[in-house]
Amino acid sequence: DVKVTQSSRYLVKRTGEKVFLECVQDMDHENMFWYRQDPGLGLRLIYFSYDVKMKEKGDIPEGYSVSREKKERFSLILESASTNQTSMYLCASTNGGRSGNTIYFGEGSWLTVV
Amino acid sequence: AQTVTQSQPEMSVQEAETVTLSCTYDTSESDYYLFWYKQPPSRQMILVIRQEAYKQQNATENRFSVNFQKAAKSFSLKISDSQLGDAAMYFCAYRRSSGGTSYGKLTFGQGTILTVHP
Repeated sequence: DVKVTQSSRYLVKRTGEKVFLECVQDMDHENMFWYRQDPGLGLRLIYFSYDVKMKEKGDIPEGYSVSREKKERFSLILESASTNQTSMYLCASTNGGRSGNTIYFGEGSWLTVV
Repeated sequence: AQTVTQSQPEMSVQEAETVTLSCTYDTSESDYYLFWYKQPPSRQMILVIRQEAYKQQNATENRFSVNFQKAAKSFSLKISDSQLGDAAMYFCAYRRSSGGTSYGKLTFGQGTILTVHP
C-alpha cells in the first residue's frame, strides 16, 4: 500500500518559533508538494520539489521554506511562525512523467500558532 | 495562471438520490487533466475520478460520473444513488499536461461540503 506519512498530526507552537513539518513517501516519487488548506480557500500550493535539492515556489511561498536532501523526504519550514500560519498542511507526492499519474496525499498536519 | 472555481460551498442530498457538484476553470492550455478529490472527516484525500482534456468521452467510475464541457470550461461531478459514506468535502482540481518542471502542480477549487441525509 502506498504511503505518504506526515509525522506530526497536531502541533501547537508559539509565535516566532521555528517549525518543521516532515513528510516521507515510500514510493520513490520524483515530485513532492506542500499545500495548506483553509476554509473557503481550498488547497493552495506553498512549494514543490521535482528532484532532490530542487524546489520551486508555489502560489503562497512567503514565510515558508523547504528542504529536500533525500528523495523520500520533503520538509516544510516556518522560520518564524506567525498566527496567520495557523492552518492544515498537506503533503503530496507523485511520479514524474505523465501528469495524469495519481497524486498521493498524506493525512495532514494541523498547526496552531499562538 | 490557472484558476478553479467551485461556486457551491455546501450541497445536500437524500440517500439514494442524485446530486451534481459544479466546477469551472480557466486556462489557456489545450491539454490538461481535471480531477475530483474527496476529503472525508479523516482528512485523507481520495481520488474520485479523473478526466483527460483531449478525450471527449466523459469519465465514469461506478456511481461517479463527470460532465466535461471543454469549450465552456466546465467539469461537474454527478453522484448517483448517494450513500451516507459519500458525505465529505469534494475538491475539483486542474493539472497541466506539460511544461517544464512545474507541470505536476495541482490547482484546487475552494471545495464543496456534501451532506447526505438518511
